Amino acid sequence: SQQGEEDPQALSIQEGENATMNCSYKTSINNLQWYRQNSGRGLVHLILIRSNEREKHSGRLRVTLDTSKKSSSLLITASRAADTASYFCATDRSNDYKLSFGAGTTVTVRA
Amino acid sequence: DTEVTQTPKHLVMGMTNKKSLKCEQHMGHRAMYWYKQKAKKPPELMFVYSYEKLSINESVPSRFSPECPNSSLLNLHLHALQPEDSALYLCASSQDLNTIYFGEGSWLTVV
Repeated sequence: SQQGEEDPQALSIQEGENATMNCSYKTSINNLQWYRQNSGRGLVHLILIRSNEREKHSGRLRVTLDTSKKSSSLLITASRAADTASYFCATDRSNDYKLSFGAGTTVTVRA
Repeated sequence: DTEVTQTPKHLVMGMTNKKSLKCEQHMGHRAMYWYKQKAKKPPELMFVYSYEKLSINESVPSRFSPECPNSSLLNLHLHALQPEDSALYLCASSQDLNTIYFGEGSWLTVV
């Protein structure tokens, strides 16, 4: 079942600009993850942030988590054409291997 | 080796056919998953196997039948499918819920 809602649904930016997308969820979580999916391919894990963390960095990625607002944001800095993909947040609420994906944000980086 | 391999990449089948999708991982992961993804939608969980036993079935119709012959292999047997079952079928594996590794998917078209 889908727990997360993401916005915007689609984002078009110029190469070199930053891209920010948001994810909101409904119930308490153990952790929140972000995945990338290139067109017609499998999903690739980008970063995980635990419920007791507020911010995490990995390369050009910065993730924030606000559990009081039940929301997270993913920032991609200095975007490249290769960042063109769909980005999904995913949450888990228990330890039963059920991961719920958000609706996704489609990012297009123009050269 | 952080790879989940899925075969075939593309499958076209008639509504009376019986076919199978196959998935293999050699990372020693204890959980394996089948997800279904329609165009421009997030992945939807179908089945989870934990330690080779079916632990989650998300009310999937019986025309989809999963099988886990051993800890490295996961099959999805297909029989009497409907055109609306056409989708990208993603296999995944994980040791825990922190990172799920996805295969490239099998594109299924039911005619």
